[in-house]
Amino acid sequence: QVQLQQSGAELVKPGSSVKLSCKASGYTFTDYAMKWVKQRTGQGLEWIGVIDPEIDATAYNEKFKGKATLTADTSSNTAYMELSRLTSEDSAVYYCTSMGYWGQGVMVTVSS
Amino acid sequence: DVVLTQTPVAQPVTLGDQASISCRSSQSLVHSNGNTYLEWYLQKPGQSPQLLIYKVSNRFSGVPDRFIGSGSGSDFTLKISRVEPEDLGVYYCFQATHDPWTFGGGTKLELK
Repeated sequence: QVQLQQSGAELVKPGSSVKLSCKASGYTFTDYAMKWVKQRTGQGLEWIGVIDPEIDATAYNEKFKGKATLTADTSSNTAYMELSRLTSEDSAVYYCTSMGYWGQGVMVTVSS
Repeated sequence: DVVLTQTPVAQPVTLGDQASISCRSSQSLVHSNGNTYLEWYLQKPGQSPQLLIYKVSNRFSGVPDRFIGSGSGSDFTLKISRVEPEDLGVYYCFQATHDPWTFGGGTKLELK
């Protein structure tokens, strides 16, 4: 069955960076794009960007350009999202999703 | 950016009733390739969103046939016939026709 296993919760300091992972299994990783979504506590969903692992092409929501960087490692079927220059506005749950399936989400808390 | 307006914001229901959620777009969601990339998601409390409907009216794998998506252009509806307890949560529409891809604000389906 399709599974997207995300890395664990992160507590990070303002101004730092964090790299989240999403390991895919149960399907051919390079056949489907992976998108990333942000959800602040009690809020709605925001699309961050998408990566096509086969051709390593990315597209970003303008709002997240310079904030998020999407990469993919086809040898390990893992997608990554790096968030940089973190502020309290980046504290949220981040999801990866592909083929209609979603990871369990990872909570990122930015605090000194 | 395309704005998706969902109504109502909250829908109180009795189990066994029908529920209907509207999603109106600020512009047509017909892509230049002829497809309409409008999806519906349900997020149950404490869980990741789950895909219900893609391309307006296609049920995702395992989604019961009491979920019916319809609409065209910029006006879409999700109907749930015979609401069951596991249907409660927040419903989101999502468009992937125009960049940036965007979500509606959500509709909470709750018990009366």
